[in-house]
Amino acid sequence: QVQLQESGPRLVKPSETLSLTCTVSGSSISSPYYWGWIRQTPGRGLEWFGSIYHSGSTYYNPSFMGRMTISIDTSKNQFSLRLTSVTAADTAVYYCARDDLVRTNALDLWGQGIMVSVSS
Amino acid sequence: ENVLTQSPPTLSLSPGERATLSCRASQSVSSYIAWYQHKPGQAPRLLIYDTSNRATGIPARFSGGGSGTDFTLTISSLEPEDFAVYYCHQRNDLPPYTFGLGTRLEI
Repeated sequence: QVQLQESGPRLVKPSETLSLTCTVSGSSISSPYYWGWIRQTPGRGLEWFGSIYHSGSTYYNPSFMGRMTISIDTSKNQFSLRLTSVTAADTAVYYCARDDLVRTNALDLWGQGIMVSVSS
Repeated sequence: ENVLTQSPPTLSLSPGERATLSCRASQSVSSYIAWYQHKPGQAPRLLIYDTSNRATGIPARFSGGGSGTDFTLTISSLEPEDFAVYYCHQRNDLPPYTFGLGTRLEI
């Protein structure tokens, strides 16, 4: 059974960098899927950040470009999100998900999410 | 950005009733609409992809329809476990791929 689990700091200070990792279990991250990040806030709902393939190929939400990086470590079966210069508006539940571009063109498997607060 | 508007925001129904949830896009998304179910503290679950295809393991009481800018998710006969928040999501053409704000289905 494939599972995704988010991890990282739950509290980040304003202007600092938010870094989260998603660990994939039950499947190789080198299988033919992209792997993506999404967040949920009360005000803006669900927002998709972008997705990455095991080759390192990415596609991003232009709204976050310049502030966001998604990377992948196939040796650890993990992928990561890095968001710089955070503000209170980045307080959200962050989800990682499997992005099936080929068969369903949807996010077909999600982690449970991690609540991250931005506060001094 | 393609804005998805879901209606109604909240839908109050009883088990056994039929639920119809709407999702309207500000621009055509062809057939590239997915629907997710989300319960508190759980991972969101993919229900429907490409407008009308049920994801693996999804019961037949869930169905999707529509095209262009107007889409629906129908639950033919509500079970107690169906009460949750439902989101539509468009994946047409180029990013950003957007979500609706959700419909809360409550008893």
